[in-house]
Amino acid sequence: SQQGEEDPQALSIQEGENATMNCSYKTSINNLQWYRQNSGRGLVHLILIRSNEREKHSGRLRVTLDTSKKSSSLLITASRAADTASYFCATDRGSTLGRLYFGRGTQLTVWP
Amino acid sequence: ETGVTQSPTHLIKTRGQQVTLRCSSQSGHNTVSWYQQALGQGPQFIFQYYREEENGRGNFPPRFSGLQFPNYSSELNVNALELDDSALYLCASSSGARGGPQETQYFGPGTRLLVL
Repeated sequence: SQQGEEDPQALSIQEGENATMNCSYKTSINNLQWYRQNSGRGLVHLILIRSNEREKHSGRLRVTLDTSKKSSSLLITASRAADTASYFCATDRGSTLGRLYFGRGTQLTVWP
Repeated sequence: ETGVTQSPTHLIKTRGQQVTLRCSSQSGHNTVSWYQQALGQGPQFIFQYYREEENGRGNFPPRFSGLQFPNYSSELNVNALELDDSALYLCASSSGARGGPQETQYFGPGTRLLVL
């Protein structure tokens, strides 16, 4: 069963704008990860944020985590056409068994 | 590039046939996880192998089986293929100890399986 629920399901913006995607989950977690997927290809790891962290940055990416609300957000600043992809959040549901639980993803389209 | 490779890239089979998918993990990684991604969905966990032993299984029937070899590469076997098995199959490698903290999983490009 799906764990995360990303919203919006689809997001369409112009180049240069910021894109914000949200993820909600239902159980406790050890960490939460964000991945990107281009056109049904493999997933590219973006950021891992641990449950005791509130915010993390990587280049133009900013991820926040609110464990009290069981939610996370991914912000892409100054978006580019190359950012067009599906974005997924994944959690471990508090287990150390090594499996990830993914949401259905947000399809981001960035228009030049 | 993650250093994780999968073969073949695409495959067409008919119902009832058997298929074997292969994955080479990133150098230094001892754990391989397999996921199934149906069209428009997020990946679903099939199972994971840690140092050649199964280390957890998702909600998939026994006709989905796997192996991990001493070099930590892995195979996913699916018997008696059904139409619903059509999907993108992803493997991911990671490092860590059994029962230890979850580390980042690095995904391969996937194998697209079509069952007719």
